[in-house]
Amino acid sequence: QSALTQPASVSGSPGQSITISCTGTSSDIGFYNYVSWYQQHPGKAPKVMIYDVSNRPSGGSDRFSGSKSGNTASLTISGLQAEDEADYYCASYTGSSTSYVFGTGTKVTVL
Amino acid sequence: EVQLVESGGGLVQPGRSLRLSCAASGFTFDGFAMHWVRQVPGKGLEWVSAISWNGAGIGYADSVKGRFTISRDNAKNSLYLQMNSLRAEDTALYYCAKGQNTYYSPNYFDSWGQGTLVTVSS
Repeated sequence: QSALTQPASVSGSPGQSITISCTGTSSDIGFYNYVSWYQQHPGKAPKVMIYDVSNRPSGGSDRFSGSKSGNTASLTISGLQAEDEADYYCASYTGSSTSYVFGTGTKVTVL
Repeated sequence: EVQLVESGGGLVQPGRSLRLSCAASGFTFDGFAMHWVRQVPGKGLEWVSAISWNGAGIGYADSVKGRFTISRDNAKNSLYLQMNSLRAEDTALYYCAKGQNTYYSPNYFDSWGQGTLVTVSS
């Protein structure tokens, strides 16, 4: 099971919106609506931001939104803030023996 | 507040074994599936293994199948990962993560520990 493909880096200015893509296959993202997104600050554990493609956890920031089209999922961060600077990973359920696959990760930089 | 505390990591020679533990608190441990996810320092995340609430459902990544064994003790609110025949490529920070329902798939990982570092080297 290969890792999902994400851009290595995305940047934006404070207040802007950015979108991170996550491309898989018809066996994972394209087949299941079980895509989640995780934010990881340096030296910290990941934190779920979006689950089941577009749902936010209780208490989650509404500046984060998710969507999916075909084999590609996307995470959009609106009103970019300095605290959003972090690494972001997508993940998908696969239904195979390796049940979950993560993305390659995207470093978000706030200019 | 959910707390997950991993322990048991360290330096181990190739071919040897190590057992990781994860102590859980702040939630009804026997009501949720649990996962192990690893991360090579500076690299991406890799799902390793998962176990359903009662241990009846278990899954492994192909990369560890036949070498790693996941288990849980609901009476002790603890999750374990027995790692045998360790290889250099198993070197990583191992996170314990909580699933959001009773069965291990499909899930997302709604709480994470801080991880325990495993280094496999001679």
